[in-house]
Amino acid sequence: SQKIEQNSEALNIQEGKTATLTCNYTNYSPAYLQWYRQDPGRGPVFLLLIRENEKEKRKERLKVTFDTTLKQSLFHITASQPADSATYLCALDMKQGGKLIFGQGTELSVKP
Amino acid sequence: EADIYQTPRYLVIGTGKKITLECSQTMGHDKMYWYQQDPGMELHLIHYSYGVNSTEKGDLSSESTVSRIRTEHFPLTLESARPSHTSQYLCASSEYVSGTGNTIYFGEGSWLTVV
Repeated sequence: SQKIEQNSEALNIQEGKTATLTCNYTNYSPAYLQWYRQDPGRGPVFLLLIRENEKEKRKERLKVTFDTTLKQSLFHITASQPADSATYLCALDMKQGGKLIFGQGTELSVKP
Repeated sequence: EADIYQTPRYLVIGTGKKITLECSQTMGHDKMYWYQQDPGMELHLIHYSYGVNSTEKGDLSSESTVSRIRTEHFPLTLESARPSHTSQYLCASSEYVSGTGNTIYFGEGSWLTVV
């Protein structure tokens, strides 16, 4: 069956450390993998995407890796800050499919 | 900043009432979506549209209905609200761009409470 899974447990880390979130999927072949941030009571906001033929993408303190063999993406926030505390969702984007497949999200809490 | 707007942001309504949640986007996107999300829970797609006069049911069954008469407008209607409809409803839009796919832009959400 097809499914997409993220760390179900909340991730608690200390300010300044690197946060690493995982997104695993099975039986999909996404053309793109996207990451979104969602704050409580708000809609998700797009952060960055990585293409199926890319291994790594960076944007400021964010880094995403994509391993299509393992069917896994890792999302890293370096030098984390309390303001990074939020829920982070990964989403699979199929070729011209239109509908994204969202993971359930991982809640990140960065303590000062 | 995404140009997608939802009204009302918060609504408390009695059982049996008819409600319409409004959603408009000014980006000219062909694709629009409605998601339902309970606090702390995952997003569930309940309706989507690929263009004017095109609507489809999503992955989660919903008693709501939608219409797409204009590109920019995608309202969601509940004919008879029930307490089980209490939830957050998120409207979104996207456009496929070669090389970057479908990036989805979400509205701020409409919180519906049925008493």
